[in-house]
Amino acid sequence: KNEVEQSPQNLTAQEGEFITINCSYSVGISALHWLQQHPGGGIVSLFMLSSGKKKHGRLIATINIQEKHSSLHITASHPRDSAVYICAVRGGNEKLTFGTGTRL
Amino acid sequence: EPEVTQTPSHQVTQMGQEVILRCVPISNHLYFYWYRQILGQKVEFLVSFYNNEISEKSEIFDDQFSVERPDGSNFTLKIRSTKLEDSAMYFCASKEVLRTQYFGPGTRLLVL
Repeated sequence: KNEVEQSPQNLTAQEGEFITINCSYSVGISALHWLQQHPGGGIVSLFMLSSGKKKHGRLIATINIQEKHSSLHITASHPRDSAVYICAVRGGNEKLTFGTGTRL
Repeated sequence: EPEVTQTPSHQVTQMGQEVILRCVPISNHLYFYWYRQILGQKVEFLVSFYNNEISEKSEIFDDQFSVERPDGSNFTLKIRSTKLEDSAMYFCASKEVLRTQYFGPGTRLLVL
């Protein structure tokens, strides 16, 4: 069973700040997802990655397979980035295991 | 942009009643999922569905739950006899092969 830990649980930032959210997992995976959950509850997929780094606008996601760790960075944060950011991992099957989320 | 839709957005039901939650996945997607999120807790996987059958299910997905793709467009989750602890937000998701999942807006279920 994969354990997914995120840190920090809560994060407050000033507009324009560089933000990092961390995710670590306990068992090898085939893919890792970063998701954004809005205050109304809706979930949007930000990234799916299995190695290296991906960038989309002000968002950057990195993963280190050997260390079982991923980070989500937001450059130049903005009030509209306020949401819960969730890390979820997939093993060799279709099941996603979710972290508890980071409230930004 | 195509999106996953879910109906109803909210449902209130009495304990012991059957509920059916409906989802319309994105049309060319082949993999379908149901998740739930109890208020204040993390999202939990319920079931995945591919090629008209369940491919994986969690311990939560017991005999009270069933899924169906009745007509090639809808994907439903049925809870046969609801319990208080079934109160949660239920999310449907779909995806193509080797691509990311797209989530629906969720159905908030309240069991009284």
